[in-house]
Amino acid sequence: QSALTQPRSVSGSPGQSVTISCTGTSSDVGGYNYVSWYQQHPGKAPKLMIYDVSKRPSGVPDRFSGSKSGNTASLTISGLQAEDEADYYCCSYAGSYTFEVFGTGTKVTVL
Amino acid sequence: QVQVQESGPGLVKPSETLSLTCTVSGGSISSYYWSWIRQPPGKGLEWIGYMYYSGSTNYNPSLKSRFTISVDTSKNQFSLKLSSVTVADTAVYYCAREHSSSRGAFDIWGQGTTVTVSS
Repeated sequence: QSALTQPRSVSGSPGQSVTISCTGTSSDVGGYNYVSWYQQHPGKAPKLMIYDVSKRPSGVPDRFSGSKSGNTASLTISGLQAEDEADYYCCSYAGSYTFEVFGTGTKVTVL
Repeated sequence: QVQVQESGPGLVKPSETLSLTCTVSGGSISSYYWSWIRQPPGKGLEWIGYMYYSGSTNYNPSLKSRFTISVDTSKNQFSLKLSSVTVADTAVYYCAREHSSSRGAFDIWGQGTTVTVSS
């Protein structure tokens, strides 16, 4: 099972919106509505930002939103803020043999 | 508030067995799936496997079957054993809880424990 494909980096100015893609296959992203997104600051543990494609855990700002179309999921950060600068990883359930697969990770830079 | 904390040796020699423990506090280990996830230096996250509090386990099929996850409900702990370690197993190892109503949604993470494989 290969890792899900994410762009290596994206960037935006404060207040702008950025979108991170996460491309898999019909066996993972496209086959289940179990895509999650994680934010990881340097030296810190990942933090759950989105689950079940578009649900936000309590405490996560509504600037973060998720969606999916076919085999590609997306995370959009609206109104970009300095503290959003971090690495972001997607994760998808991939069935009862492979279970969970992470994306390659995307570095978000706030210009 | 539920918290998890990894513990284990920071340094392991090649070919030895690595043992890590995850202690759950502020809540019960019951009724949840608990995973181990690792991150090699400068690289991405890799799911290792999970166990249910009942003891059932599943592992990443991409990894050779060197991993064993077990649970001790009396201590509210679960453990990871990795046999025949190599330098490629050098990583930060995290334990994490899976969201109760989802899959692949890890809502509680430990701070991670760094494991270095070196002679």
